[in-house]
Amino acid sequence: SQQGEEDPQALSIQEGENATMNCSYKTSINNLQWYRQNSGRGLVHLILIRSNEREKHSGRLRVTLDTSKKSSSLLITASRAADTASYFCATDAEDSNYQLIWGAGTKLIIKP
Amino acid sequence: DAGIIQSPKHEVTEMGQTVTLRCEPIFGHNFLFWYRDTFVQGLELLSYFRSRSIIDNAGMPTERFSAERPDGSFSTLKIQPAEQGDSAVYVCASRHGTRGEQYFGPGTRLTVT
Repeated sequence: SQQGEEDPQALSIQEGENATMNCSYKTSINNLQWYRQNSGRGLVHLILIRSNEREKHSGRLRVTLDTSKKSSSLLITASRAADTASYFCATDAEDSNYQLIWGAGTKLIIKP
Repeated sequence: DAGIIQSPKHEVTEMGQTVTLRCEPIFGHNFLFWYRDTFVQGLELLSYFRSRSIIDNAGMPTERFSAERPDGSFSTLKIQPAEQGDSAVYVCASRHGTRGEQYFGPGTRLTVT
């Protein structure tokens, strides 16, 4: 099931630029996870941020979480053509009975 | 650390046949999830387990679908009998604990002719 909204739905930028994607959700969460999916491939786990964390880094990825606004952002710095993919957020909500609740995803295209 | 193993990678079968898909989760992961990806409706959660117990299988589309995890490790998803509308990618995911990272397998692409 989907609770989150992601924006933008699609984003096209030049290689080397930074890409920012946003995710909003509706209920209280334990954590929020970001995933990448290349066309025709499986979901790859990128990063998990817990509800008591505000920011987390992994390589060129930076994730922020604002629980007061029920939103998160994923920043990819110095984008590369290989970053072209769809990006999804998923929340582990307190009342979700262990299910992840998915956003609709952002389709990111990096132009060489 | 081995990832999730799903078999077969591709399955082509005829209507009316029985299909059995298998998932080997990451070692030690007690939660196991079965999803279906039709690429039109996105990921649908079919059924999920905590150890060998089903937590919820309300997402199973019909009684033709069943899932088992007899000893709390691998799981099978059975479709009996298969119909053309069942053609999709079936994806398995697993997680250690109630609040950990959830990892996804590569999926099994099922084609029912």
